[in-house]
Amino acid sequence: GQQLNQSPQSMFIQEGEDVSMNCTSSSIFNTWLWYKQEPGEGPVLLIALYKAGELTSNGRLTAQFGITRKDSFLNISASIPSDVGIYFCAGRLYGNKLVFGAGTILRVKS
Amino acid sequence: GAVVSQHPSWVICKSGTSVKIECRSLDFQATTMFWYRQFPKQSLMLMATSNEGSKATYEQGVEKDKFLINHASLTLSTLTVTSAHPEDSSFYICSAEMGANQPQHFGDGTRLSIL
Repeated sequence: GQQLNQSPQSMFIQEGEDVSMNCTSSSIFNTWLWYKQEPGEGPVLLIALYKAGELTSNGRLTAQFGITRKDSFLNISASIPSDVGIYFCAGRLYGNKLVFGAGTILRVKS
Repeated sequence: GAVVSQHPSWVICKSGTSVKIECRSLDFQATTMFWYRQFPKQSLMLMATSNEGSKATYEQGVEKDKFLINHASLTLSTLTVTSAHPEDSSFYICSAEMGANQPQHFGDGTRLSIL
């Protein structure tokens, strides 16, 4: 079945540093989504990508839909303490269920 | 933006009890709702997909008689964990989408603890 490889598994960075994480798949997707989850809460949608090559920003967050449709990355610039949480990528082929990555745990040292 | 409300947020009950969890889309009509289960430090595991007015589609290994799903309207889906046992303790999360290929928006989850 479809699987997503998300890396890194965890990051512990200094406040102000930039962060980069990515997801790769052996299958193609029509949609890539990036979510953030904080403890005891549900995931919150950060960015949705619908077109190969698409580059989208949301404040300090930037994500890209890979040109091969098999990968996506998320960058966070100038990290702040409230960026801590677990970041999940998710991919979907039209009409099918979401496939989630294992998550990237982000910790920020102030 | 799209808001999904999940209730209750926390349940503690005795073994053998049935527990109902509600998921509501507050500002949009959801053609499809999804129920996930999440174990500590793990990703979300899809349990079932629910369309309004039809039977839910369960993922392999999920007992449909154990986890009853009702999707009575375009804004409400319920998950009932029947005769719950300690191994059913987990974090259950619902999501809803406005249409095919639209992003899923998630509720805040329900922490279920069975004693």
